[in-house]
Amino acid sequence: GNSVTQMEGPVTLSEEAFLTINCTYTATGYPSLFWYVQYPGEGLQLLLKATKADDKGSNKGFEATYRKETTSFHLEKGSVQVSDSAVYFCALSDLAGNQFYFGTGTSLTVIP
Amino acid sequence: DTAVSQTPKYLVTQMGNDKSIKCEQNLGHDTMYWYKQDSKKFLKIMFSYNNKELIINETVPNRFSPKSPDKAHLNLHINSLELGDSAVYFCASSQVASMKTQYFGPGTRLLVL
Repeated sequence: GNSVTQMEGPVTLSEEAFLTINCTYTATGYPSLFWYVQYPGEGLQLLLKATKADDKGSNKGFEATYRKETTSFHLEKGSVQVSDSAVYFCALSDLAGNQFYFGTGTSLTVIP
Repeated sequence: DTAVSQTPKYLVTQMGNDKSIKCEQNLGHDTMYWYKQDSKKFLKIMFSYNNKELIINETVPNRFSPKSPDKAHLNLHINSLELGDSAVYFCASSQVASMKTQYFGPGTRLLVL
């Protein structure tokens, strides 16, 4: 079946540090892959997405590349800010688009 | 111009009560969802409706009943509330044409006392 595994948190970084949050997936065919971000007290917002192998999604300095050979979609940012403190969810959409599979979320805290 | 809205934002109630949460989307999407997020931030899908038809019904107690009066609305009714129902409930919507991206509402924080 389809599933998403992402690295457990919490992650604490200093401002301007490099961020990587690992995400791997199991799926049949070619799912679409997503990163969502949830700021404290808010709903989930789409951060970036990729729909086919080798696609790179990017937004607000965050990037993730769809790697079919390693079934991964790791989230990276070169220099994090305090305002990036949030919970990050990796997700995949099945081929029919009827269901999303979310990872367990990784909490990130950036300290000044 | 809120895309996906939910009411109420907060809901505090006693065990045994019946309550409803409403969701509306103005994106013209044809699929809507209900998710439950527990205290550890784990997200679990509960229901999915496509064009007012139920297409996903995960293992949830039958005290939970979704109702979709039209494509833009998906309400969640909960009977005989229990302590374990305390969580944040998120509504979401998607359209196949947008590569299945889901758009989430702000959440309803339910506390059962």
